Amino acid sequence: ETGVTQTPRHLVMGMTNKKSLKCEQHLGHNAMYWYKQSAKKPLELMFVYSLEERVENNSVPSRFSPECPNSSHLFLHLHTLQPEDSALYLCASSQGPGTDTQYFGPGTRLTVL
Amino acid sequence: AQTVTQSQPEMSVQEAETVTLSCTYDTSENNYYLFWYKQPPSRQMILVIRQEAYKQQNATENRFSVNFQKAAKSFSLKISDSQLGDTAMYFCAFRHYGGSQGNLIFGKGTKLSVKP
Repeated sequence: ETGVTQTPRHLVMGMTNKKSLKCEQHLGHNAMYWYKQSAKKPLELMFVYSLEERVENNSVPSRFSPECPNSSHLFLHLHTLQPEDSALYLCASSQGPGTDTQYFGPGTRLTVL
Repeated sequence: AQTVTQSQPEMSVQEAETVTLSCTYDTSENNYYLFWYKQPPSRQMILVIRQEAYKQQNATENRFSVNFQKAAKSFSLKISDSQLGDTAMYFCAFRHYGGSQGNLIFGKGTKLSVKP
């Protein structure tokens, strides 16, 4: 048990829907991350938050909108997605954003129809 | 730009035997961290082992050990006495030292199957 939980575990949505992914960490960490894992591609870092401030945004389309209301919770708001956005979305946390080991959640399997 | 290469998309090993997964990386940095993560079929990514580049001694964690060759930019993972529960995707990852960003760079992964 890594102490990072994600809900929902599976999500199917249409291209016109709006949905949100939720991540919660119970480790007392100060940094949280969103990654995208697509088949046959390396994990792609999407967003980094440190102490609730976004410190990195790796050229992610605006249809993905992160929110970090406090150091324990991280959301990824989704709207007007494309079928190529179908992937496993992983949340991770670490003590700090610099050198610390990241601990991952189980992921949300997203399918966009 | 840093890159991480795992040249073995799939490997298999008999239970109780030893297997080595390879990883090479490219960086101009001198201080960095290297990681091996395991992702079982249940999908939760788990840290297996971590190596600081400034340490010459290879990291070990029970049945897992690494062969870190800094000059060759090689970071292989050896799994001894393989168990069925070791069946998973294994990802090699790199992260530069310090800074405010969390840029963890992953390889494409190696799918390891442990056969009874």
